[in-house]
Amino acid sequence: QQQVKQSPQSLIVQKGGISIINCAYENTAFDYFPWYQQFPGKGPALLIAIRPDVSEKKEGRFTISFNKSAKQFSLHIMDSQPGDSATYFCAATGRRTQGGSEKLVFGKGTKLTVNP
Amino acid sequence: EAGVAQSPRYKIIEKRQSVAFWCNPISGHATLYWYQQILGQGPKLLIQFQNNGVVDDSQLPKDRFSAERLKGVDSTLKIQPAKLEDSAVYLCASSLWAVWGSYEQYFGPGTRLTVT
Repeated sequence: QQQVKQSPQSLIVQKGGISIINCAYENTAFDYFPWYQQFPGKGPALLIAIRPDVSEKKEGRFTISFNKSAKQFSLHIMDSQPGDSATYFCAATGRRTQGGSEKLVFGKGTKLTVNP
Repeated sequence: EAGVAQSPRYKIIEKRQSVAFWCNPISGHATLYWYQQILGQGPKLLIQFQNNGVVDDSQLPKDRFSAERLKGVDSTLKIQPAKLEDSAVYLCASSLWAVWGSYEQYFGPGTRLTVT
């Protein structure tokens, strides 16, 4: 119920290509879905996030597509660049109830390599 | 705006020894989180503080792990005694608090712990 399943585990794309990472969740109480980017030796950095009241959110080259009925969401990186090479994590959390936790439940990550 | 600060960045100890990690959140962030990230996996929440009170410590191994957040600002996470399986990166994150929720979590660089 608390899992977020992420695929693929690793992804190699050419510069200028589109990178697509997929996530699926089970808990219908989740209502916030962020994507984090992590470089080696660094902490995760918030990249983009979406709430289930919209089906798509775009920020620059990064787009989240959200399918509430399928309980799936994905990250699309357009015009992928070598600097995008990093590990990407999807996550989910639910609305805080009184005294409740807002812990992020993370996927296992996707290591993206963008070849020049 | 300064980010989340953590120290030390690296620590190597022998099993059964004790270790402590320190975190200074972003100024004004009332919520503080400690996550454990094992190599090749996504971060897993250990404990969440709201000011100096614990909101969620359901996944904290309380027989060996302890955490405190005195005065609602800095926090320390302690492991005593350490086991080999505690080798991981320990991430601190913080977020603003609001009645409706506070989901944008900002992570520090982490402390990489190696237990030999």
